[in-house]
Amino acid sequence: GENVEQHPSTLSVQEGDSAVIKCTYSDSASNYFPWYKQELGKRPQLIIDIRSNVGEKKDQRIAVTLNKTAKHFSLHITETQPEDSAVYFCAASQTGANNLFFGTGTRLTVIP
Amino acid sequence: DTEVTQTPKHLVMGMTNKKSLKCEQHMGHRAMYWYKQKAKKPPELMFVYSYEKLSINESVPSRFSPECPNSSLLNLHLHALQPEDSALYLCASSPLNEKLFFGSGTQLSVL
Repeated sequence: GENVEQHPSTLSVQEGDSAVIKCTYSDSASNYFPWYKQELGKRPQLIIDIRSNVGEKKDQRIAVTLNKTAKHFSLHITETQPEDSAVYFCAASQTGANNLFFGTGTRLTVIP
Repeated sequence: DTEVTQTPKHLVMGMTNKKSLKCEQHMGHRAMYWYKQKAKKPPELMFVYSYEKLSINESVPSRFSPECPNSSLLNLHLHALQPEDSALYLCASSPLNEKLFFGSGTQLSVL
């Protein structure tokens, strides 16, 4: 089955700086890579996703890049704000949302 | 309505109790899911229903019994749970093979 590794497990940045979270996956057949943000005590929420036919996708301050050859993908958050503080999970799947394999999560803290 | 609604939000039960978790969505999604999430861990898939039929059961113990009465509702029946089953139980839905939308979860404590 798929194995997704996520790094770092914790990340602290100053407000306004950029944050990068990296994930690697093992199954070359995986073709769907979403990122979820989970604030303390809240539900995971999809913030951005990318499919394997695209190398990069951007939505305002958030971007995801995918390197299929190296089997890794990354989340980039620019101009970080305190409200970006949360746990971020990457995931990978061959079949869309049906069977997501999640990374272990990154706790991002943005220091005002 | 663009939400997945779960009830109850909190549940405390004894090991001999029988209880049910409920989930509802009115977005027309034809896939619904149960996930279990322990503190500081990622969600773990338990069950997937597609078109109201169970399509994935991730080797979940029989003390958890899912039910999908119709395309908008998903239940999880609980019986004879163990303390280690205490966790946040998340329901989710998606258009088939598309984005996953989570409910707010039921925080379950088994005493």
